[in-house]
Amino acid sequence: QQQVKQSPQSLIVQKGGISIINCAYENTAFDYFPWYQQFPGKGPALLIAIRPDVSEKKEGRFTISFNKSAKQFSLHIMDSQPGDSATYFCAARPGSARQLTFGSGTQLTVLP
Amino acid sequence: DAGVIQSPRHEVTEMGQEVTLRCKPISGHDYLFWYRQTMMRGLELLIYFNNNVPIDDSGMPEDRFSAKMPNASFSTLKIQPSEPRDSAVYFCASSLSGGKYEQYFGPGTRLTVT
Repeated sequence: QQQVKQSPQSLIVQKGGISIINCAYENTAFDYFPWYQQFPGKGPALLIAIRPDVSEKKEGRFTISFNKSAKQFSLHIMDSQPGDSATYFCAARPGSARQLTFGSGTQLTVLP
Repeated sequence: DAGVIQSPRHEVTEMGQEVTLRCKPISGHDYLFWYRQTMMRGLELLIYFNNNVPIDDSGMPEDRFSAKMPNASFSTLKIQPSEPRDSAVYFCASSLSGGKYEQYFGPGTRLTVT
């Protein structure tokens, strides 16, 4: 119940295309859903986050779509750029605790 | 702000040796997290502290692992004795209490046990 399932494991997109990464969860106590971006040799860094009281959050080219009834959320990267090539992790936090449960990660490659 | 500082950045050791990883959280942050990242298991939470007190250590793999936080600006993760399967990148992260849950990660320590 604590798991967050992420797909796909890897994704290759052409420059200018849309990258979509999906996550699903079971635990209805999760109340905070961040996405982290990790470049090689670096630690993960928060990209964007959403709470379940909204269905979508947009920050620049990055959008989180949230479907509470389906217990799914996804990251959309519009106009993908080679500089977006990184590993992306979804995560979730149960309302009763402070720790995050991370998905398995998606390695995104944006071709020039 | 310097961000979360970890040392060493790389550690190579032989099986059976003791390894100590160090972390300095962002000043003022009262939560500190230790993670392990591997290809097989992804990003796993090992333990986290609040105000220097361990809150949840259920992710610590076994008794060979121990973590301490003697003060608000320093934490250690110790592995004794180390084994080849401990090879991984270990991250420390810190966050502030309150309504923002963002965790700030350090650059990690890449541990190789031969």
